[in-house]
Amino acid sequence: AQSVTQPDIHITVSEGASLELRCNYSYGATPYLFWYVQSPGQGLQLLLKYFSGDTLVQGIKGFEAEFKRSQSSFNLRKPSVHWSDAAEYFCAVGAGGFKTIFGAGTRLFVKA
Amino acid sequence: DAGVIQSPRHEVTEMGQEVTLRCKPISGHDYLFWYRQTMMRGLELLIYFNNNVPIDDSGMPEDRFSAKMPNASFSTLKIQPSEPRDSAVYFCASSLVSTYGYTFGSGTRLTVV
Repeated sequence: AQSVTQPDIHITVSEGASLELRCNYSYGATPYLFWYVQSPGQGLQLLLKYFSGDTLVQGIKGFEAEFKRSQSSFNLRKPSVHWSDAAEYFCAVGAGGFKTIFGAGTRLFVKA
Repeated sequence: DAGVIQSPRHEVTEMGQEVTLRCKPISGHDYLFWYRQTMMRGLELLIYFNNNVPIDDSGMPEDRFSAKMPNASFSTLKIQPSEPRDSAVYFCASSLVSTYGYTFGSGTRLTVV
């Protein structure tokens, strides 16, 4: 069965520092992979998605993610974090039939 | 585009009462999803529709839950009777099959006392 693991429940980074959020997936075929962000009291917003092709995917708000099939990973990165990036981040995998399974989320704290 | 619109934003009800949550998807989107979010269980897919037809309702927790999509611009999720364990944030999302990225509404925070 498809699944998504986000090993870090929460991460704290300093403003201006680089960020990497980890995501591992389990899926039999080539997966469809996503990252979403959720600000407090809001719904989830799509940051980026990977279907095929170039394994480095660019998204909105300066985020990027790299698909590594050998490691079953799809980590999210940003070179310089801003205070407004503080939110919860969800990795997700397409589960067939157009469904999406979400990970448990990683909450990002940004310190000044 | 106004995005996916959910109402109400907050709902407080007493155990045993009927609750109806509403969703207006983005015009032209052909998929609609209902998710439930709790601290303990995260985001759970309850049911989804394609072109107004329910495709998979295996995530609906009990017969107390039902969902309808009478037309392309409106869907409801009903809980009858409601129980305290139904307290959660319920999200509606819509998507186009050609883009496969969901647009979520702002959610309905349901509290059953």
